[in-house]
Amino acid sequence: AQKVTQAQTEISVVEKEDVTLDCVYETRDTTYYLFWYKQPPSGELVFLIRRNSFDEQNEISGRYSWNFQKSTSSFNFTITASQVVDSAVYFCALSEPYNFNKFYFGSGTKLNVKP
Amino acid sequence: EAQVTQNPRYLITVTGKKLTVTCSQNMNHEYMSWYRQDPGLGLRQIYYSMNVEVTDKGDVPEGYKVSRKEKRNFPLILESPSPNQTSLYFCASSYRDGWGTNYGYTFGSGTRLTVV
Repeated sequence: AQKVTQAQTEISVVEKEDVTLDCVYETRDTTYYLFWYKQPPSGELVFLIRRNSFDEQNEISGRYSWNFQKSTSSFNFTITASQVVDSAVYFCALSEPYNFNKFYFGSGTKLNVKP
Repeated sequence: EAQVTQNPRYLITVTGKKLTVTCSQNMNHEYMSWYRQDPGLGLRQIYYSMNVEVTDKGDVPEGYKVSRKEKRNFPLILESPSPNQTSLYFCASSYRDGWGTNYGYTFGSGTRLTVV
């Protein structure tokens, strides 16, 4: 069965600290997609990144970076030099290879960045 | 601007009064879904659609209806709303390219529904 676990319910950091949000997934498929979404206090869900199971390269986008490790079934998200605007709930998600409508979302990690 | 538009953003209604939440996307996406988000329960899929006239149940379809008569529109209908349908609702659309790449969901801004 497909499952995404975000064990960290809530994290609080002080501005400029680095923070890593963990995501562990379970799937029997060899082909799948992983995603991260951000939900700021305003409520909308914003796409951050997509990764397919064949691409294990880490990715960096500005202060954001993602570490995908198939060996540990993890897709962790690191924010470097966090800012107050990074305060949000972050969701990790897994999608099935043949039913693109079926997403398995983690329960989310609420990140509080204090000035 | 590419987007998914949901209306209304906020709605307070009474038990039993039929309502429709509209959803429209301008990206020509094949796939559309409805999710509800509740504290402690995360995001749960209500219905989804693979294309025009093709819809299927998600994880929590009871009490909801959908239709997909046009590619761009995917309304969510609550025939007889009840207080347990008070929630934050999201419509989303996605597509895959010729290589089968799943580009993930683009979400609407959400509809906060309160049923009293």
